[in-house]
Amino acid sequence: QVHLVESGGGVVQPGGSLKLSCTASTSTFTTSGIHWVRQAPGKGLEWVTFAQIGGNRRDYADSVKGRFTISSDNSENTLYLQMDSLTLEDTAVYYCVDDCLSSGACYMTGFWGPGTLVTVSS
Amino acid sequence: QSALTQPASVSGSPGQSITISCTGTSSDIGRYKYVSWFQQHPGKAPKLLIYEVNNRASGISLRFSASKSGNTASLTISGLQAEDEADYYCCSFTTRTIPSFVFGSGTRVTV
Repeated sequence: QVHLVESGGGVVQPGGSLKLSCTASTSTFTTSGIHWVRQAPGKGLEWVTFAQIGGNRRDYADSVKGRFTISSDNSENTLYLQMDSLTLEDTAVYYCVDDCLSSGACYMTGFWGPGTLVTVSS
Repeated sequence: QSALTQPASVSGSPGQSITISCTGTSSDIGRYKYVSWFQQHPGKAPKLLIYEVNNRASGISLRFSASKSGNTASLTISGLQAEDEADYYCCSFTTRTIPSFVFGSGTRVTV
């Protein structure tokens, strides 16, 4: 099972930007896709975005469309989430999630990273 | 988009069985087999319990089982143990708007 680790979280002012990274434990991604899921403090889970690895498909939740951009660098086994025009409502732990199990079953069934905290505050 | 509907809390005594419901629509649970359940302990990342409606993930106890009927999915925990005390989330693939995923509102299980 490939492990994922997020990084890049921190404190940012409203209207600011932050770039998160999701790095796989293997030299290249072996999955077909990676999701970002977030969880605001004391709240539930919210799907944010999906990136097809090795393809061009990118899907975004309405709450982040036009502000967040996902990109991948397969040669560096890293996925990036560029977050712009951040608001207080974007404060959350952000998890990257493997779309697939090693057995081949997909649709957000794979490994979850430990998460990285993004705090938007003035 | 609106979260799937789960009860806010469910409680049970050790050894008992409990069931958590998850109600969606004909655009998510009612249409697709891609319904999952996650367990989350405080301060930890969610852990996959069930995928594709009723398939247990690797290493998950037989005490966890799940099913789906119409627009509602259910997770049953039998032989409740203290370690089962956690938050539980259902999740479904959806095409309400774009292909995406919608989570349940979460259920706190107290043992």
